[in-house]
Amino acid sequence: QQQVKQSPQSLIVQKGGISIINCAYENTAFDYFPWYQQFPGKGPALLIAIRPDVSEKKEGRFTISFNKSAKQFSLHIMDSQPGDSATYFCAAVTSGTYKYIFGTGTRLKVLA
Amino acid sequence: KAGVTQTPRYLIKTRGQQVTLSCSPISGHRSVSWYQQTPGQGLQFLFEYFSETQRNKGNFPGRFSGRQFSNSRSEMNVSTLELGDSALYLCASSLNDGVAKNIQYFGAGTRLSVL
Repeated sequence: QQQVKQSPQSLIVQKGGISIINCAYENTAFDYFPWYQQFPGKGPALLIAIRPDVSEKKEGRFTISFNKSAKQFSLHIMDSQPGDSATYFCAAVTSGTYKYIFGTGTRLKVLA
Repeated sequence: KAGVTQTPRYLIKTRGQQVTLSCSPISGHRSVSWYQQTPGQGLQFLFEYFSETQRNKGNFPGRFSGRQFSNSRSEMNVSTLELGDSALYLCASSLNDGVAKNIQYFGAGTRLSVL
């Protein structure tokens, strides 16, 4: 019940295309859902996050869509660029536990 | 502000040895979490320290231990190293002040190779 399932494991997208990464959870106590971006040789960095009281959050080319009833959330990268090539992790957090549960990651490659 | 600093960046050990990794959090951050990152497994939570106390623990054997000092710096120790312990070990710090978002900021990690 503590798991967060992330798919796909890897993704190849053409420059200018839309990248979509999906995550699903079971524990309804989760109330904070961040996405992290990790470049080779670097630690993960917060990209965008959402709380379950909203269904969508957009920051530039990055959008989180959240479906509370289905217990799913996804990251959309519009107009994908080669510089977006990285590994993306979704996570789920329960306030007060201070414990992040991460998905297994998606390696995104954007072709020039 | 300086980010999260992890030392050393790379480490090579042999089976049976022990290793200590160090993490200096962002100034003012009192919470430090440790993760093990391996291909295909993502980030596996090891433990979290707050004000020198272990507050959360993941499902790792007792060979993995940690501590936090009064200045919030943290160390992680792995004893009796096994080949499967080869991984990138990441440290993350956060404010955890009960008001601000519980955002975790990661260091670049320590790459441990066990031969």
